[in-house]
Amino acid sequence: NAGVTQTPKFRILKIGQSMTLQCTQDMNHNYMYWYRQDPGMGLKLIYYSVGAGITDKGEVPNGYNVSRSTTEDFPLRLELAAPSQTSVYFCASSDPLQSSYNSPLHFGNGTRLTVT
Amino acid sequence: GQNIDQPTEMTATEGAIVQINCTYQTSGFNGLFWYQQHAGEAPTFLSYNVLDGLEEKGRFSSFLSRSKGYSYLLLKELQMKDSASYLCAVRGGSGGYQKVTFGIGTKLQVIP
Repeated sequence: NAGVTQTPKFRILKIGQSMTLQCTQDMNHNYMYWYRQDPGMGLKLIYYSVGAGITDKGEVPNGYNVSRSTTEDFPLRLELAAPSQTSVYFCASSDPLQSSYNSPLHFGNGTRLTVT
Repeated sequence: GQNIDQPTEMTATEGAIVQINCTYQTSGFNGLFWYQQHAGEAPTFLSYNVLDGLEEKGRFSSFLSRSKGYSYLLLKELQMKDSASYLCAVRGGSGGYQKVTFGIGTKLQVIP
């Protein structure tokens, strides 16, 4: 049981390049989330999904896109990378329906992205 | 929307007790989480409160008052390894039951 897996672990992009951050989970969770964390700051919600085919914006969605074609996968796309997108990106999953009371977010290990 | 406030930094002595406060304002509330995050690592789950009162888990306890929009995390018998950031997160709000929003985090330094 791998939990939440994110790839790549590290990436350096040039301004204007595009890339996809991959996230997959094997816990059959319906809810998945993308957060970014800037140095010394908390987690900011980018996008989230409550199930395959359903996505919604979080606090900071500009410059990002997501898709959810399967329960397991929730990729995050950066179309035109900008220096302001330099951050650590965390993917997480949970499913309150599996545990009605205590359903924490399970986090991946993060992707450290630098845009120069 | 949601507004979550917690102190940015705290310092405490090894063996002591420390209380980290979190206040929140939300249009809908469906639970509050506390996470621990060591530098360079992913957050790890500590506790969850959805009803008023105290939840105890070993050295860690978490309290919730929904009417006051207030929670705290209590760490007893502090150890050096407890030096980390502690994140308060609220589930719910205008985005719905499933949206989870984090505070800025409290960086705790434990000193000998």
